[in-house]
Amino acid sequence: QSALTQPASVSGSPGQSITISCTGTSSDVGGYNYVSWYQQHPGKAPKLMIYEVSNRPSGVSNRFSGSKSGNTASLTISGLQAEDEADYYCSSYTSSSTRVFGTGTKVTVL
Amino acid sequence: QLQLQESGSGLVKPSQTLSLTCAVSGGSISSGGYSWSWIRQPPGKGLEWIGYIYHSGSTYYNPSLKSRVTISVDRSKNQFSLKLSSVTAADTAVYYCAREHPTWLFDYWGQGTLVTVSS
Repeated sequence: QSALTQPASVSGSPGQSITISCTGTSSDVGGYNYVSWYQQHPGKAPKLMIYEVSNRPSGVSNRFSGSKSGNTASLTISGLQAEDEADYYCSSYTSSSTRVFGTGTKVTVL
Repeated sequence: QLQLQESGSGLVKPSQTLSLTCAVSGGSISSGGYSWSWIRQPPGKGLEWIGYIYHSGSTYYNPSLKSRVTISVDRSKNQFSLKLSSVTAADTAVYYCAREHPTWLFDYWGQGTLVTVSS
């Protein structure tokens, strides 16, 4: 199985909004609403930020939102803050009952 | 609060078998509906899903690793394990264990443990 495709890097100034894309196929992202997003700071374990495409776990800021269109899911961070600087990964359930992660996106706050 | 903690050898010789254990505390590994997963991250690279064991004992593995991976559970010790055989330098990575919620999200993670493959 191939990793989901994400841009290597995205940057924005404080207060701005940025969007990270996650492109898969009809056998993963496009076929199921089981896309989740994870934030990872250096040296730390990933943290769940979005699940089932657009749901936020308790405790995650409402500045984080998710959506999906066809085979591409997206994570939007609004009101960008310095603490949002991290790596972000998408993940999807697949038709083979396996899981696949995205290639990862480094978010830089300018 | 559920906690997961990886343990095992941090240095493995090429061609040997990597063995890791994930101890679960604050909850039962037999809780219905959850799966218990292994995920790895080579230095400076992205996350790679290795596989999981379902609460029923069924296992699913990454097709690219399937021939070398075994995930098992020890309910008496509330832990699950990973074995990866015939390792090479490409298997050097931080290995994470994680709980997967019934709606296919990883909600609890261990802190990760670095395994280096080197002679």
